[in-house]
Amino acid sequence: DVRLEESGGGLVQPGGSLTLSCAVSGFTITNYRMNWVRQAPGSGLEWISDIPSTGDYLSYADSVRGRFTISRDSAKNSLYLHMNSLRVEDTAVYYCASGRTLDYWGQGTLVTVSS
Amino acid sequence: DIQLTQSPSSLSSSVGDRVTITCRASQTIATNLCWYQQRPGKAPKLLIYSASNLQSGVPSRFSGSGSGTHFTLTISGLQPEDFATYYCRHTYSSPPTFGQGTKVEVK
Repeated sequence: DVRLEESGGGLVQPGGSLTLSCAVSGFTITNYRMNWVRQAPGSGLEWISDIPSTGDYLSYADSVRGRFTISRDSAKNSLYLHMNSLRVEDTAVYYCASGRTLDYWGQGTLVTVSS
Repeated sequence: DIQLTQSPSSLSSSVGDRVTITCRASQTIATNLCWYQQRPGKAPKLLIYSASNLQSGVPSRFSGSGSGTHFTLTISGLQPEDFATYYCRHTYSSPPTFGQGTKVEVK
């Protein structure tokens, strides 16, 4: 069975840093595009970053470019999102999702940016 | 960036109704469009990919159509578990944006 499990969310002050993890089982992440999508409280879905199967061209939404970095560890079959210079408006549930069509999703992890 | 506009933003329907949701793209995206369902407190779920292809395991009452800039998601015979929010998303270019969502509520 395919399973994606995010972790690493929590409360952080504005300007702080946090790293989210997404542990994957059931497929090899280096064979698929992997994504991060977020959802602010009471709002819609926002794609924020992806890494293709080749790992060579990383894409970011304008709202996070220069502050967030996507990466992966093939040995751990895990995806990561390194978040720096966090802002109040980054408060959201963060999901990892697989493939170009986002066919599998994790359950999400909540990041709260507040002083 | 390509903008996706869904209509309506919300609708009220009853079990058994036929429901249609529209997604319009700000420029042509061929058939590079997906539909997702999100129930409260849950992760989204892929329903339709490439505008009209039903994802494995999704009930056949869900169908998608369209190409270019105009797309529709139809639920034929609404079931109690279908009351949820639905999102379209394009995969034509980066960034692959979502529509703002359509909430299907109980009448």
